Amino acid sequence: GQQLNQSPQSMFIQEGEDVSMNCTSSSIFNTWLWYKQDPGEGPVLLIALYKAGELTSNGRLTAQFGITRKDSFLNISASIPSDVGIYFCAGPRRTNYGGSQGNLIFGKGTKLSVKP
Amino acid sequence: DGGITQSPKYLFRKEGQNVTLSCEQNLNHDAMYWYRQDPGQGLRLIYYSQIVNDFQKGDIAEGYSVSREKKESFPLTVTSAQKNPTAFYLCASTSTSGGPGETQYFGPGTRLLVL
Repeated sequence: GQQLNQSPQSMFIQEGEDVSMNCTSSSIFNTWLWYKQDPGEGPVLLIALYKAGELTSNGRLTAQFGITRKDSFLNISASIPSDVGIYFCAGPRRTNYGGSQGNLIFGKGTKLSVKP
Repeated sequence: DGGITQSPKYLFRKEGQNVTLSCEQNLNHDAMYWYRQDPGQGLRLIYYSQIVNDFQKGDIAEGYSVSREKKESFPLTVTSAQKNPTAFYLCASTSTSGGPGETQYFGPGTRLLVL
């Protein structure tokens, strides 16, 4: 079935560093979504990608929709302490009836923490 | 302000007890979803509903039940049949179902703990 694999599982950041993470699948997706979850809160949508090759920015965040449609990347430039949290990628979940019926499949997340 | 509210923020369940988690949205969204989140597991779909009075099981529906009597409300009941209910529960909604580029909007979550 569909699966989204996120890498790395966790990473430590130092203020000012650039951060990169990715999301891959053996299945093709026509939409990629990136969410951030702060501790004890619900995920918040950061960036949505709808077209292969698309590069979209939201402040210091930049995400790309891979050409193969099987991967996506998220970059954070000049990280700050409030960037810590869990970052999830997501895409439409295929059903037996075709289409996603609004359902999403999520990766297991990349957890960003501050370097001690 | 439009949004999704979940209550309570924390909920304690005794052995053999059913508990109900509330989810309300004023975004006029058609579809609503319940997820369970455990550490390192990501988000797992429990139930979803695309229209009033209709809902479908997700990947881990056993031990849970839902209702969708109103468009804006989608309560989740954790029954005594759910043997490991301790988790963070997230409700979400989206404005379209079946269309391209659906984005789900999440509530703040309810943390359920077993006494």
